Amino acid sequence: NAGVMQNPRHLVRRRGQEARLRCSPVKGHSHVYWYRQLPEEGLKFMVYLQKENIIDESGMPKERFSAEFPKEGPSILRIQQVVRGDSAAYFCASSRSLQGANNQPQHFGDGTRLSIL
Amino acid sequence: KQEVTQIPAALSVPEGENLVLNCSFTDSAIYNLQWFRQDPGKGLTSLLLIQSSQREQTSGRLNASLDKSSGRSTLYIAASQPGDSATYLCAVIGVGGSEKLVFGKGTKLTVNP
Repeated sequence: NAGVMQNPRHLVRRRGQEARLRCSPVKGHSHVYWYRQLPEEGLKFMVYLQKENIIDESGMPKERFSAEFPKEGPSILRIQQVVRGDSAAYFCASSRSLQGANNQPQHFGDGTRLSIL
Repeated sequence: KQEVTQIPAALSVPEGENLVLNCSFTDSAIYNLQWFRQDPGKGLTSLLLIQSSQREQTSGRLNASLDKSSGRSTLYIAASQPGDSATYLCAVIGVGGSEKLVFGKGTKLTVNP
């Protein structure tokens, strides 16, 4: 059974370019979460999606960031016009059901390390 | 707003020692608390999930306790080994909110041979 797969593992972009981060959840999981880990900071929630729907995007910066989880294919976190402050590790997690109400744990991928030159 | 604090930020112990990592959270209205391990350059590995109705969970040499009313959890590691060296994170999910995990900044553990 494959776990959460994220690619690429490392991504280098120049300021102003776009970054696309992909996440394939565990097979059978329909809930996807994105978190960001800035240097010397803890992991911060960004967005929670179910198939084709954004459920909670309260942790997403209002501009330049977007996320989707289409009916077919991986979840995508997209960052437009990247800036140096976007350099971080971005982690995706998935769960079969709600961790809160149903105690179904979130399973994490190995992350994408984004570096902005 | 939920805040999670982990003390100490770093801990270095000799091999074989038993140790305790601490986690505290400000809002006791949680569904559950999860302990993770993170190795350098890697993702998070879930170690234990304690439901709000539970007092403790055990897995091998690990034992996690939860005192929801006081907003505290501990992770006890018995007979530590060099392979236990990693950063340990705790995270909670609050009641009535989103499914987001709120993380502490972690405790970096080094077990010296």
